Amino acid sequence: NAGVTQTPKFRVLKTGQSMTLLCAQDMNHEYMYWYRQDPGMGLRLIHYSVGEGTTAKGEVPDGYNVSRLKKQNFLLGLESAAPSQTSVYFCASSPHSGGTSTDTQYFGPGTRLTVL
Amino acid sequence: GNSVTQMEGPVTLSEEAFLTINCTYTATGYPSLFWYVQYPGEGLQLLLKATKADDKGSNKGFEATYRKETTSFHLEKGSVQVSDSAVYFCALSDQTGAQKLVFGQGTRLTINP
Repeated sequence: NAGVTQTPKFRVLKTGQSMTLLCAQDMNHEYMYWYRQDPGMGLRLIHYSVGEGTTAKGEVPDGYNVSRLKKQNFLLGLESAAPSQTSVYFCASSPHSGGTSTDTQYFGPGTRLTVL
Repeated sequence: GNSVTQMEGPVTLSEEAFLTINCTYTATGYPSLFWYVQYPGEGLQLLLKATKADDKGSNKGFEATYRKETTSFHLEKGSVQVSDSAVYFCALSDQTGAQKLVFGQGTRLTINP
């Protein structure tokens, strides 16, 4: 199993450009998440999904959109990139165990995005 | 809202030294608590977790005990190795069905031979 994979690994954008980050998991997990990691701030939740066709906002959703058309994929879109979106983006997935809060999240390797 | 505070880094130790990384939290209800580790150039991976008060999580020689009375979940290891050099994140899971994680800011640990 590949686990959680992210595409691309690196990307440089100019201000105003758009792009989509792809996350794929092969563990049949129900829940998927997108985080951004910035120095000194840990990871912050952007958007998440509790199942195919569902999405919800996290802590820092502005400037991002997401879609979960297939259970195994979770896409993060930037419609008009800004320098403040320079960050490392991590995708994660988690199984669903009847509403407990104990399930582990499995993380992808990250995408390093620079917006000039 | 929920929050997690970790001791500020970076932390530099010699091999075989004792390690403590402090973590305290603020949360409503009874969250689950986690330590994740990020090795250079990689994503995060679970190190250990505890789901209720007085539980002790342990893995790879690391331990942390869920202390409800002090709202803490400090990470400890008796004898660190160079291979333990990484960034460590304390996190809590909220009580909603979505199991969202709230992370501390991370502590960079460097172990010198």
